[in-house]
Amino acid sequence: KAGVTQTPRYLIKTRGQQVTLSCSPISGHRSVSWYQQTPGQGLQFLFEYFSETQRNKGNFPGRFSGRQFSNSRSEMNVSTLELGDSALYLCASSPRGAKEETQYFGPGTRLLVL
Amino acid sequence: AQSVTQLGSHVSVSEGALVLLRCNYSSSVPPYLFWYVQYPNQGLQLLLKYTSAATLVKGINGFEAEFKKSETSFHLTKPSAHMSDAAEYFCAVSGSDSWGKFQFGAGTQVVVTP
Repeated sequence: KAGVTQTPRYLIKTRGQQVTLSCSPISGHRSVSWYQQTPGQGLQFLFEYFSETQRNKGNFPGRFSGRQFSNSRSEMNVSTLELGDSALYLCASSPRGAKEETQYFGPGTRLLVL
Repeated sequence: AQSVTQLGSHVSVSEGALVLLRCNYSSSVPPYLFWYVQYPNQGLQLLLKYTSAATLVKGINGFEAEFKKSETSFHLTKPSAHMSDAAEYFCAVSGSDSWGKFQFGAGTQVVVTP
């Protein structure tokens, strides 16, 4: 099976702009989770989607949003970018998002905000 | 709520020496615990996971971890380090409130010296 794919891999934006990142899960996986990774804060959970519904959300401002499509592909959007949004954004998929399931990670999208 | 603490942000080991990475967890319910490895500019790759079937868990690349409930620990070991083990290692926990949500430790950077 193909792994989790994320596009684009690298992105440069300026403050105030918005950005959309895409994630395609492993075939058959219906749960997609998003994480932000920074040197200072480490890996932080953003949100999780299952069957087009957000089931879980981390402690991030409303500028961070996401959605999931009927084919389980997911997008996350960050509006009004700030310098502190520069990070590696990782998505992970699992069959159902159950706590005992392994999450399989994509290579990430590295976002640089100038 | 669940959390993990990784002791030591950097570990330096000689090639052929024992690798020991420490992880302690906090969980109000039986935890599911995971170790991931991240190579530069890549996503996270699962090394092994504990799901209560056995306390000693064997993973890929010669790594193993032992779940010790009395010590709330899940330390990762490898008997003999290889140069290719140089990477960052993350311990993670999922739990009762965690649809698709892992709580990650801060990570341990492993350097292997010849």
